[in-house]
Amino acid sequence: QQQVKQSPQSLIVQKGGISIINCAYENTAFDYFPWYQQFPGKGPALLIAIRPDVSEKKEGRFTISFNKSAKQFSLHIMDSQPGDSATYFCAAPSKAAGNKLTFGGGTRVLVKP
Amino acid sequence: GAVVSQHPSRVICKSGTSVKIECRSLDFQATTMFWYRQFPKQSLMLMATSNEGSKATYEQGVEKDKFLINHASLTLSTLTVTSAHPEDSSFYICSASSGGAYNEQFFGPGTRLTVL
Repeated sequence: QQQVKQSPQSLIVQKGGISIINCAYENTAFDYFPWYQQFPGKGPALLIAIRPDVSEKKEGRFTISFNKSAKQFSLHIMDSQPGDSATYFCAAPSKAAGNKLTFGGGTRVLVKP
Repeated sequence: GAVVSQHPSRVICKSGTSVKIECRSLDFQATTMFWYRQFPKQSLMLMATSNEGSKATYEQGVEKDKFLINHASLTLSTLTVTSAHPEDSSFYICSASSGGAYNEQFFGPGTRLTVL
């Protein structure tokens, strides 16, 4: 049972464009929503994270928007660059489950120059 | 800060041999470490959770006798793939958590295991 559903599976965007990745969750016990960036052959790196008591968090070109009532959160990559080409995973930990992370299926982003 | 290392980065072994992968938190003490497996173009699959000084908790379907986990200190956890077979070939990734307010997990660079 997939508790975090991520879309789209892949995304192609032109340099300078906006990449938008969406995630929907089911478990209301989730209380922290991180996004990870993974390059081929490397481990995931924490990119940005949000708590459910705020609706938006921005760090540089990366913004998380959070909609608690809809149980959705999204990652926006502004002014996308070829170096942003990677796979992005949303995730959510559950304290009730020992803070195990439930990952979304991932989105492969390709930024064309 | 929050650096996690893994060793080796890649290993090739013959079928039937055992392989040990080390995961270290370099600049913080990790109360909990996690081991994941990732197949090409797929998401991370949690294999087990390990807490320092106690037995690991394995996810459903993961053979604990096949994948031995030891968390001997607050900075080191090891995963041993015993009697490896070609189907064990995969990308293994560890993560470590310092137990902060949100128990952020920091991931290692991964280990590519190829079993011939």
